[in-house]
Amino acid sequence: AQSVAQPEDQVNVAEGNPLTVKCTYSVSGNPYLFWYVQYPNRGLQFLLKYITGDNLVKGSYGFEAEFNKSQTSFHLKKPSALVSDSALYFCAVRDQNTGFQKLVFGTGTRLLVSP
Amino acid sequence: DGGITQSPKYLFRKEGQNVTLSCEQNLNHDAMYWYRQDPGQGLRLIYYSQIVNDFQKGDIAEGYSVSREKKESFPLTVTSAQKNPTAFYLCASSGPMANEQFFGPGTRLTVL
Repeated sequence: AQSVAQPEDQVNVAEGNPLTVKCTYSVSGNPYLFWYVQYPNRGLQFLLKYITGDNLVKGSYGFEAEFNKSQTSFHLKKPSALVSDSALYFCAVRDQNTGFQKLVFGTGTRLLVSP
Repeated sequence: DGGITQSPKYLFRKEGQNVTLSCEQNLNHDAMYWYRQDPGQGLRLIYYSQIVNDFQKGDIAEGYSVSREKKESFPLTVTSAQKNPTAFYLCASSGPMANEQFFGPGTRLTVL
């Protein structure tokens, strides 16, 4: 069975500093990996995805994520945080071999960027 | 949120009532999904549909029902059998292969 772990409930960072939101996954085959962001009382917005190829994936709003197969991780990063980045972030995984696009989501990490 | 609409934004239900949440998409996606979001639990899959006139139970289908009579529409009914229906409900759709899911703005259901 596939699973995702986001070990931090909350991450605090000062504006202008780099940020990292952690995600580890478990699938039997090769993964498709996704990051989403959610603002209060809104739906999820897609940030980026890893399918295959380059381990460093660049996405929306200056975010990027690094796929590490040996550590089964897909951490979300941004070189310089903005106060407006404060939101709830979800990592999700799907096994490439399942044949259908059922995603498994982590429990989310709240990012708080202070001025 | 673009391309997927959910209504209503807020919904209040009395105990014992069935309520239906609407989800419409204009993205021409075959697959559609319903998730339930509770604080600290992430998203849990209720039902999903790969194609018109077909749907499958997700991880927490008890007390819910769906239909998929049109490609664009995937309504969710929360029945009186759902013991704890107060939650934020999210609808999503996706295209083929590794495409990401697109989410609607959500419906917040509260049982009075």
